[in-house]
Amino acid sequence: AQSVSQHNHHVILSEAASLELGCNYSYGGTVNLFWYVQYPGQHLQLLLKYFSGDPLVKGIKGFEAEFIKSKFSFNLRKPSVQWSDTAEYFCAVVRSSNTGKLIFGQGTTLQVKP
Amino acid sequence: DAGITQSPRHKVTETGTPVTLRCHQTENHRYMYWYRQDPGHGLRLIHYSYGVKDTDKGEVSDGYSVSRSKTEDFLLTLESATSSQTSVYFCAISETDRGNTEAFFGQGTRLTVV
Repeated sequence: AQSVSQHNHHVILSEAASLELGCNYSYGGTVNLFWYVQYPGQHLQLLLKYFSGDPLVKGIKGFEAEFIKSKFSFNLRKPSVQWSDTAEYFCAVVRSSNTGKLIFGQGTTLQVKP
Repeated sequence: DAGITQSPRHKVTETGTPVTLRCHQTENHRYMYWYRQDPGHGLRLIHYSYGVKDTDKGEVSDGYSVSRSKTEDFLLTLESATSSQTSVYFCAISETDRGNTEAFFGQGTRLTVV
């Protein structure tokens, strides 16, 4: 079965610390990859996406992610977090050959202390 | 924000009663999804649709059925609600059939089964 794993369930950082959230998926073939963010009480919003080309993808609010095909990974990074980055982060994958079936990881709750 | 409306936004129902949640879109997107969000589980796909009258099961489809008779509407039905179906339900839409786009999410429906 398709699966997406996020290694960190709850991360606590101080402002200005660097962030890296892990994401791995379990199947081969061509995939499209996404990171979404959910701020408290809100719906999910897209942070960034990878379809093809440069494996280093830059998104909104200073986030970036690197696709490493050999490791089936798509880790999210930010050099310096802010208190406003406190949110839940979700990795998601869809197989390009599939009929649009979009699968999410379990999510990582990020708490940034001022 | 993408034109997605979920109704109702909040509902409390009794065990054993049928419940229908509605997702309405004005974007004419082909794909529509129903997810449930529970602490520690992230977003889990219940059912999705890849066209009018074309639907398929997701990871947690037991106890749920869906219908899509028009492009703009995707209904999720709990035939006989149980307490384990207490959750926040999100509808999402996307366009192309190879995942080469992002999914847009509705505001969510908080369902409590007592």
